[in-house]
Amino acid sequence: AQTVTQSQPEMSVQEAETVTLSCTYDTSESNYYLFWYKQPPSRQMILVIRQEAYKQQNATENRFSVNFQKAAKSFSLKISDSQLGDTAMYFCAFMPTGNQFYFGTGTSLTVIP
Amino acid sequence: DAGVTQSPTHLIKTRGQQVTLRCSPKSGHDTVSWYQQALGQGPQFIFQYYEEEERQRGNFPDRFSGHQFPNYSSELNVNALLLGDSALYLCASSLDQGEGYTFGSGTRLTVV
Repeated sequence: AQTVTQSQPEMSVQEAETVTLSCTYDTSESNYYLFWYKQPPSRQMILVIRQEAYKQQNATENRFSVNFQKAAKSFSLKISDSQLGDTAMYFCAFMPTGNQFYFGTGTSLTVIP
Repeated sequence: DAGVTQSPTHLIKTRGQQVTLRCSPKSGHDTVSWYQQALGQGPQFIFQYYEEEERQRGNFPDRFSGHQFPNYSSELNVNALLLGDSALYLCASSLDQGEGYTFGSGTRLTVV
């Protein structure tokens, strides 16, 4: 079974500070992709960052970076220089071969001015 | 370049009724997936359509069915609605075997 666990239902961070969102997953697959999606009140899922399991180098996208620990099946998201527009639900997602996303239950992030 | 378009944005149905939700994929995408997102939960995979066929299905009953048209747009049908079917239904499009998935803003279904 493929599962994704986000153990932090809610988090808050001061504007301009750094915050880390946690995610663990369970799979027997060796080849897969990991994602962080942002869902603002507009409801659309917006891709934040993507990591391929076969790449050891951690992905980065501007202020967003991941810490991918394949052996520990851990995939955390670090947001640097937090901005008010970062306030949203963040979902960790896992995609093995087969093109189906498995999502966690989400972390609600609030950036405090 | 239009993204994924879903209609309607909201609707309210009565238990036992049937509903059809629609999705137009992003230009150039040929694969459509549907997800159900209950309140406070992450999206759950319903099924995926490619070349007008259901290619993969999640753990949903047969009351959930779909269709893909030659222009790649898709419909999700739910029969005999239950209160528990109340959720946000998300459509995601992609290019087969591609790496980019684009989500729509969803249809909020309320069953009363």
